[in-house]
Amino acid sequence: QQPVQSPQAVILREGEDAVINCSSSKALYSVHWYRQKHGEAPVFLMILLKGGEQKGHEKISASFNEKKQQSSLYLTASQLSYSGTYFCGTVTSGGGADGLTFGKGTHLIIQP
Amino acid sequence: GAGVSQTPSNKVTEKGKYVELRCDPISGHTALYWYRQSLGQGPEFLIYFQGTGAADDSGLPNDRFFAVRPEGSVSTLKIQRTERGDSAVYLCASSYSLGSGEQFFGPGTRLTVL
Repeated sequence: QQPVQSPQAVILREGEDAVINCSSSKALYSVHWYRQKHGEAPVFLMILLKGGEQKGHEKISASFNEKKQQSSLYLTASQLSYSGTYFCGTVTSGGGADGLTFGKGTHLIIQP
Repeated sequence: GAGVSQTPSNKVTEKGKYVELRCDPISGHTALYWYRQSLGQGPEFLIYFQGTGAADDSGLPNDRFFAVRPEGSVSTLKIQRTERGDSAVYLCASSYSLGSGEQFFGPGTRLTVL
């Protein structure tokens, strides 16, 4: 089942912070975050695994609440380059390389 | 190094025709995934290979869709008797191994069925 992302869209001024949420109705093994710019491929940002392991970029942080089946992506001191659509992808089975089930995305616009 | 490549970048076909979409994963990546993305939506999982075998094809919408990866590297997604509803961007991704997590996406093939 598709995870639910919120908000659907957000507009920020450069330097402001944003939080994007991802919620699932099923128990999660891992949550993957991607950013996609218009006409381009999704780019990996972070993966959060059941048990607390995280892999990702230094300037991006995220949390994973296994009990609530939720994840949040934190974008601080936003830059113009952060603009794009953010997707969370979830894995609900036990394997780490299963196909991802993506949410509908959160559109982020950063204004100067 | 080279990323995931997909060919063609654009494909326009007529309803009822057969199409093949190719994916060349990152060298050494054993896991390969196919997704499709419709306008305004997130990628939708189709099928995933570990090596040469399809480990999970539960996302293929019907038996008109088929994918192969005969030598464990390049993969081809095949669509028979195309329908207008098949129009989408077909994305391929690869990852280093089972459990490695991070999937690297290719630029996609935009398929338009007239």
